[in-house]
Amino acid sequence: KQEVTQIPAALSVPEGENLVLNCSFTDSAIYNLQWFRQDPGKGLTSLLLIQSSQREQTSGRLNASLDKSSGRSTLYIAASQPGDSATYLCAVSRGGNKLVFGAGTILRVKS
Amino acid sequence: DAGVIQSPRHEVTEMGQEVTLRCKPISGHDYLFWYRQTMMRGLELLIYFNNNVPIDDSGMPEDRFSAKMPNASFSTLKIQPSEPRDSAVYFCASSLIPSETQYFGPGTRLLVL
Repeated sequence: KQEVTQIPAALSVPEGENLVLNCSFTDSAIYNLQWFRQDPGKGLTSLLLIQSSQREQTSGRLNASLDKSSGRSTLYIAASQPGDSATYLCAVSRGGNKLVFGAGTILRVKS
Repeated sequence: DAGVIQSPRHEVTEMGQEVTLRCKPISGHDYLFWYRQTMMRGLELLIYFNNNVPIDDSGMPEDRFSAKMPNASFSTLKIQPSEPRDSAVYFCASSLIPSETQYFGPGTRLLVL
C-alpha cells in the first residue's frame, strides 16, 4: 500500500528565505507526482505535476524535483513571500487517477 | 470557466438525517472524483467516475455512502443515515485525462451533530 510522508509538518520562515519541502513515498512504481497548495477553508490548487519520466518541473519561484528510485520529491520555493503561506500537499499516482496524498506541510512566511 | 462548483458550501445536520452533496465538474472533463478530508485521515479518495460511470468506489467507507453521476455535468454524494464521524470537508475534483492535473472545487464542510 502506497504511503506518502511529508516533512516537516509545519514550517515558519521570515520573508525572503528560500525553503525546501520534502515528500517521500514507499512504492516507487508511480505514474506521476503532484504538488498542491491549499489555503484555509478552500480547495486545492495544483502547483506542479511531474511525470515519472521527468526529474523536475519549474513554475516561477517554484521548483519540484523527483527521484523515483529513492522515493523522494522536494518542492523548492525561492524568495518566499507572506502570500506563500498555505498548506502544501504532495500526492502520487500509480496509474489511472488514484491520488494518494501526504498529510501536508503548513507553511507560514512572516513579514 | 467557473471551475468545479460544489454545493452547499456548509452543511450542518443531525445524526440520522440524509445529506446530499452536489458537484458540477469543469465542462469537457471526463473524470470526476470525490474526496474526503479530515484531520485524522487527511485527504482520501472515495470514488471516481469516467464518462459518468463509476470506476473505483473502493474508498467509499460504508453502504451509507452512495454516489451518482446522472450526466456529464452533475454528480451527487449522498450519506444516509449520517453519523457524527462523517463530519469532514468533502471535495469534488475533475480532470480531462487520467494522467493530468485534477482541479478541485472549494469543498463542502459537513458537520453532523
